[in-house]
Amino acid sequence: DGGITQSPKYLFRKEGQNVTLSCEQNLNHDAMYWYRQDPGQGLRLIYYSQIVNDFQKGDIAEGYSVSREKKESFPLTVTSAQKNPTAFYLCASSDRGPNSPLHFGNGTRLTVT
Amino acid sequence: GQQLNQSPQSMFIQEGEDVSMNCTSSSIFNTWLWYKQEPGEGPVLLIALYKAGELTSNGRLTAQFGITRKDSFLNISASIPSDVGIYFCAGLTTDSWGKFQFGAGTQVVVTP
Repeated sequence: DGGITQSPKYLFRKEGQNVTLSCEQNLNHDAMYWYRQDPGQGLRLIYYSQIVNDFQKGDIAEGYSVSREKKESFPLTVTSAQKNPTAFYLCASSDRGPNSPLHFGNGTRLTVT
Repeated sequence: GQQLNQSPQSMFIQEGEDVSMNCTSSSIFNTWLWYKQEPGEGPVLLIALYKAGELTSNGRLTAQFGITRKDSFLNISASIPSDVGIYFCAGLTTDSWGKFQFGAGTQVVVTP
C-alpha cells in the first residue's frame, strides 16, 4: 500500500540534543513538507521541498534543518537552537501541481525535557 | 503565515444530529481542502474543492467552496460516534505553490 511513514511514533530527548525525525513516502510524489502541530493551533509549515536536492524555508524554520537527497525521503532535524521543540510533527507529500492535496503521515510526537 | 479563521472551535452533539463548520479568510483562495484528524494520527483528506461555488459530497459529508472564494463550509449529516475527531480546513492562494494555510480545527464530540 502506498503511503507516508514517519518514525519513530514517540521520541524523547534531553534539552541540548539534536534529534532527527524520519519521513519516507512511496507515493512517487515530487513535493514533501514538514509541519508542526501545537494544541489549538493550525498546522505551521517548517520546511518544504518541491524536488530532490532543493528545499525552502516555511514559516517557522528557525532551529530546524532538512535534506532531500532522495525523492522518497525528507528527514527533519530538530536542533538545540529550537527554543520550544516539544510538539507533534507531521510530514506530508503531494503530487506535481501547485494545488495538489497534501497527504499526511501519522506523525511523530517529540518531547524534550 | 496567515492562519484561517475556523469556527466553531468545538461542538458537542448528539448522535443523529447534523454538524456545520466553516472557514473564512481575508485572502482569495483557489483551493480548499477539508481534513479529519483522530488523536495521535495524521490528518486524512476528506474533500478537495477547486472552483468557486463547487459543492462536493463524500458519504455523509458535504463541503462547499464559497462564491466569494474567501470561505468554505463542511457539513456532516446524521452524525455517528465515529465522526468524533478534529476537522481542519486548508486553503491555498494562487501565488503560494503548495503552501496551504490551515485553520485551527473544529473538535467534534458525538454522544450516543
